[in-house]
Amino acid sequence: KNEVEQSPQNLTAQEGEFITINCSYSVGISALHWLQQHPGGGIVSLFMLSSGKKKHGRLIATINIQEKHSSLHITASHPRDSAVYICAVKGISNFGNEKLTFGTGTRLTIIP
Amino acid sequence: SQTIHQWPATLVQPVGSPLSLECTVEGTSNPNLYWYRQAAGRGLQLLFYSVGIGQISSEVPQNLSASRPQDRQFILSSKKLLLSDSGFYLCAWSVKLSRGQYFGPGTRLTVL
Repeated sequence: KNEVEQSPQNLTAQEGEFITINCSYSVGISALHWLQQHPGGGIVSLFMLSSGKKKHGRLIATINIQEKHSSLHITASHPRDSAVYICAVKGISNFGNEKLTFGTGTRLTIIP
Repeated sequence: SQTIHQWPATLVQPVGSPLSLECTVEGTSNPNLYWYRQAAGRGLQLLFYSVGIGQISSEVPQNLSASRPQDRQFILSSKKLLLSDSGFYLCAWSVKLSRGQYFGPGTRLTVL
């Protein structure tokens, strides 16, 4: 079993739909990242959070430390949101080198 | 502001040939540096990380090696490429004792 599990693996939705991507992890963490990878491969950091909720534009990320679970939400989805969304965690034991453990990603496709 | 560069962007190499991928970071000093690989259909895998010049830690056994000849330069090498070395290679950096990690644009390597 992977330390970081994402669901769903693939998600196709119509433009305008509310999107939820889930991430569960099995280790103690000091931070959780949500990353976006576009078809060309480049990765952009969307959020880094250790508690509560963060919002940036149409994107919202939440984390529940007790349940070891995080969600990424996209409101009013748009075709340009189509990408692979990756969850990554920094374990508590990784002090000093910031090593991340990655989920395998969720491929999101938004249809116009 | 900080920027991270990788080159080349794409590379096609025959089996058994050598490899050298370069990553440089600008606008920061003494960063932690990371090499990741993303094989087709799989999540990101940490290959090497470095906390300083000449200090390299390997995460997985393989025919790849890494070097850090200068503070902001990280090189991924191989003496003889294998077919299984094909993938998308990402360099990343972080500030020490920080939870954030920033990714380069990546190099897509195809070994034929």
